[in-house]
Amino acid sequence: DAKTTQPTSMDCAEGRAANLPCNHSTISGNEYVYWYRQIHSQGPQYIIHGLKNNETNEMASLIITEDRKSSTLILPHATLRDTAVYYCIVRAYNAGNNRKLIWGLGTSLAVNP
Amino acid sequence: DTEVTQTPKHLVMGMTNKKSLKCEQHMGHRAMYWYKQKAKKPPELMFVYSYEKLSINESVPSRFSPECPNSSLLNLHLHALQPEDSALYLCASSQEGAYTQYFGPGTRLTVL
Repeated sequence: DAKTTQPTSMDCAEGRAANLPCNHSTISGNEYVYWYRQIHSQGPQYIIHGLKNNETNEMASLIITEDRKSSTLILPHATLRDTAVYYCIVRAYNAGNNRKLIWGLGTSLAVNP
Repeated sequence: DTEVTQTPKHLVMGMTNKKSLKCEQHMGHRAMYWYKQKAKKPPELMFVYSYEKLSINESVPSRFSPECPNSSLLNLHLHALQPEDSALYLCASSQEGAYTQYFGPGTRLTVL
């Protein structure tokens, strides 16, 4: 599985867009990019995933570069409740019986009033 | 219903106690997971069940014993734990073969 690199921490003003980058320069063709977040002392929450095309859902947008070596998670209007650790994970969709997610250290996002 | 529930929320136990953590989901998912998470660290996979059969055991000590009585329930039986086993224990479920996992709120375990 490709390794991901994320900044340790970021700050964002409430109401502004939060753009969280992730580098995955060794990603291979069948590997998806997944984003999860974990609000303090809660279980992780699935946000979004994508392969090549940009994706959007009610929570966020995922922008994947054309060479797929990096991606950005965008929270369009960050609120205080978006303060959390955000994990970028790369995983092959059909890796047989192994459904193990390889978690990095993530980015700690602080949304400030 | 897109919720995974876990009980209890908090558990304090001595090293000689036997206790169990419980997890339940009603999303029809056939894969269920146990994770352990220490403070300021990412979750670590412990066990994966697929169609009620244990498919992955990440070399977890035998003092942790998982059980999947049916497709909706997952238990983690605890016995003779050590203080270093104190952590947040997370349960998750997913469709078979998928990586979109839905997590419960966790059980905060303290071993004295």
